[in-house]
Amino acid sequence: DADVTQTPRNRITKTGKRIMLECSQTKGHDRMYWYRQDPGLGLRLIYYSFDVKDINKGEISDGYSVSRQAQAKFSLSLESAIPNQTALYFCATSDWDEQFFGPGTRLTVL
Amino acid sequence: GENVEQHPSTLSVQEGDSAVIKCTYSDSASNYFPWYKQELGKGPQLIIDIRSNVGEKKDQRIAVTLNKTAKHFSLHITETQPEDSAVYFCAAIQSQGGSEKLVFGKGTKLTVNP
Repeated sequence: DADVTQTPRNRITKTGKRIMLECSQTKGHDRMYWYRQDPGLGLRLIYYSFDVKDINKGEISDGYSVSRQAQAKFSLSLESAIPNQTALYFCATSDWDEQFFGPGTRLTVL
Repeated sequence: GENVEQHPSTLSVQEGDSAVIKCTYSDSASNYFPWYKQELGKGPQLIIDIRSNVGEKKDQRIAVTLNKTAKHFSLHITETQPEDSAVYFCAAIQSQGGSEKLVFGKGTKLTVNP
């Protein structure tokens, strides 16, 4: 089984809808991250958490929120989706330096 | 904050040739520089990394060099194979008050032509 899983893998939604992307990991890592990938822009950090009680904003947190429900679970929410949030979203975990990425969620906002 | 520049954005080579991808960083306090490979439809995966106390590291056909004075580091792939075709990302650790997080370059799409 995959160490880092993301659900859903693909999602199409409409402007204004609330969307939640979920991430689970079995690696036992304390650190978890949410990134957004856009063509030509690389990976940009949205939010990160170094333990269950720790939440930090990344480079592009506006329009997003997160919840760290447990060591193994880190969810990303779009409260009111807009078309420019159409992107590929990755969750990652780490125990120190190396980050382990999930397979990604492709989100399309119409 | 840290800024990582990566060049080129696309690179096409013939099978068997070498490929070189270069990155520069801005924060002289950065001390960890990983390289990730992203295959189509998958998440990025670490392929090699280097710390600031060494200048070069090799792992079979891939190597990374670091020049701390110039604040740049490079990925070298020798004897390229079609399965090396992917997007490659460099990154640097930005340390802020103990909350370390990676800053990524924008990626290089490498195509190895048979």
